[in-house]
Amino acid sequence: GQNIDQPTEMTATEGAIVQINCTYQTSGFNGLFWYQQHAGEAPTFLSYNVLDGLEEKGRFSSFLSRSKGYSYLLLKELQMKDSASYLCAVMGGATNKLIFGTGTLLAVQP
Amino acid sequence: SQTIHQWPATLVQPVGSPLSLECTVEGTSNPNLYWYRQAAGRGLQLLFYSVGIGQISSEVPQNLSASRPQDRQFILSSKKLLLSDSGFYLCAWSGAYEQYFGPGTRLTVT
Repeated sequence: GQNIDQPTEMTATEGAIVQINCTYQTSGFNGLFWYQQHAGEAPTFLSYNVLDGLEEKGRFSSFLSRSKGYSYLLLKELQMKDSASYLCAVMGGATNKLIFGTGTLLAVQP
Repeated sequence: SQTIHQWPATLVQPVGSPLSLECTVEGTSNPNLYWYRQAAGRGLQLLFYSVGIGQISSEVPQNLSASRPQDRQFILSSKKLLLSDSGFYLCAWSGAYEQYFGPGTRLTVT
């Protein structure tokens, strides 16, 4: 079967660092994606990992361990505008479809 | 650059009425196209995907259908809407590996 787990909600303080974890079990693996989705809006692409290790992109970094079926998204220097849902998605299977987790709702407080 | 359009942005339809949602992509040729639905508080569910004109794959049994009459046009339809069809409908196209989403259509079936 295919399963993606991430925490439902998290709260963090403006200026701080937060780590959002994602664990997955999929048949086949061709990459892990993180998307940001503000309330009422479409998801926007943040990052892509296909090899083990850390990918850094500005304030956002994403880590992957394929052997552990584990990823995290690290957000530094949090800003109020970072309050959003963060979706973990895995591409796998014979047709390279994306399987999404239910998302982690991050609330950044002053 | 590539852009993806969806319309309408919002829609309120009575149970039993038909549905037609349209998605068009600009700036790319022969894209893979996807229809997702996001119910309130739920993750993204893949409904259909298409790798070319007239080629549609359905992911879940339902009373929805999809068509791709032109290379960059993807249509989601229903002959008779159910209450359970309410949700946020997102069209996406895939680049090298990541998927990019349109602005979405929020459908409320009453």
